[in-house]
Amino acid sequence: QVQLQQWGAGLLKPSETLSLTCGVSGGSFRGYYWSWIRQPPGEGLDWIGEINHSGLPYYNSSLKSRVTISVDTSKSQFSLKLNSVTAADTAVFYCAMGSRDIPLRTWGQGTLVTVSS
Amino acid sequence: DIQMTQSPSTLSASVGDRVTITCRASQSINTWLAWYQQKPGKAPKILIYRASSLESGVPSRFSGSGSGTDFTLTISSLQPDDFAVYYCQQYQSYSRTFGQGTKVEIK
Repeated sequence: QVQLQQWGAGLLKPSETLSLTCGVSGGSFRGYYWSWIRQPPGEGLDWIGEINHSGLPYYNSSLKSRVTISVDTSKSQFSLKLNSVTAADTAVFYCAMGSRDIPLRTWGQGTLVTVSS
Repeated sequence: DIQMTQSPSTLSASVGDRVTITCRASQSINTWLAWYQQKPGKAPKILIYRASSLESGVPSRFSGSGSGTDFTLTISSLQPDDFAVYYCQQYQSYSRTFGQGTKVEIK
């Protein structure tokens, strides 16, 4: 069964770059869609972006200028970078993986990222 | 971007009740809609995909319907494990969007 394990820094200062990585184990990595989603404390889900098996990334229009999603198929990992963070970016960040019919089938455990001076 | 509007925001119900949550898209999304369940401190879990397909392992009391702009998630007989927040998400466009969530709480 496919499992996602994510990691990265949990405390950032304003203007720093958020960097998270998600590793896939227990199944095939190729041919899928890999996504990042965030959830501010006490709020709903916010889709950040996705990269698919052809390497094309798609981003939330509100974050597009600051976000990069990349994939390393040789390591079965995909990553998120979010530049110039502010307190408004404080959230639990989730990675997720799926197919065209179910883009967010399998989720990582979530990482709380706090932005504070 | 396609806007997704769920209703109600909160729903109070009892064990055994039939529960319906609705989700409306700001433009047609065909059947590119998924429903998720989220419990406190946990990642969301997929329940329904392509509007009406039940994910493997999800109890059959959950069902989804709709196409175009109007969709529903139905729980036929609410169980104690079902008290949670439910989200719809469209994936018609390459800017995926979620509804704001519906909290199902104990009456």
